[in-house]
Amino acid sequence: KAGVTQTPRYLIKTRGQQVTLSCSPISGHRSVSWYQQTPGQGLQFLFEYFSETQRNKGNFPGRFSGRQFSNSRSEMNVSTLELGDSALYLCASSPRDSGRTYNEQFFGPGTRLTVL
Amino acid sequence: DQQVKQNSPSLSVQEGRISILNCDYTNSMFDYFLWYKKYPAEGPTFLISISSIKDKNEDGRFTVFLNKSAKHLSLHIVPSQPGDSAVYFCAASAKWDAGGTSYGKLTFGQGTILTVHP
Repeated sequence: KAGVTQTPRYLIKTRGQQVTLSCSPISGHRSVSWYQQTPGQGLQFLFEYFSETQRNKGNFPGRFSGRQFSNSRSEMNVSTLELGDSALYLCASSPRDSGRTYNEQFFGPGTRLTVL
Repeated sequence: DQQVKQNSPSLSVQEGRISILNCDYTNSMFDYFLWYKKYPAEGPTFLISISSIKDKNEDGRFTVFLNKSAKHLSLHIVPSQPGDSAVYFCAASAKWDAGGTSYGKLTFGQGTILTVHP
């Protein structure tokens, strides 16, 4: 089975711009979570989608949004980019409905976003 | 408020010896714990997990121990190999958190850099 794929792998933007990142989960996985990794804050949960619905959201401003499509692919969008948004953005998919119990997540390689 | 803590930023071990990575947590709602390994420029790779109803889980060279009363877990790697050199993250999940349901959310520690010397 192919793993989680994320595009693009690297992105450079300037302050004030917006960006859209894409994630394709492992085939058959319906839950997709997004994380931001920075040297200072570590890995922080952004949001989770299941069956095209956002079920959980982390403590990030409204500039961070996402969506999921009927084929479980997901996108996240960051509007009005700030320098502090420079980070590795990771997408993870899970084979289980995490509303039940246990929640192994399988991560993609990430998108490295640099905001200048 | 760091709910999952890995207090050792780095660990150096000789090839063939045991590596022990430690993790502490504060949230008593956590009921499932995972370890991930991460190489630079790659996403975390799932290694092993344990539910709160167990105190030990083994998978090949990897064993995770959970001490619920101490809110402590550890990952043992035996024997350690140079290819194990990476950053190791401890993560935890709960059914509920302060905001309500905790779907799809893992809370991560800051990571421990493991170096295995040949």
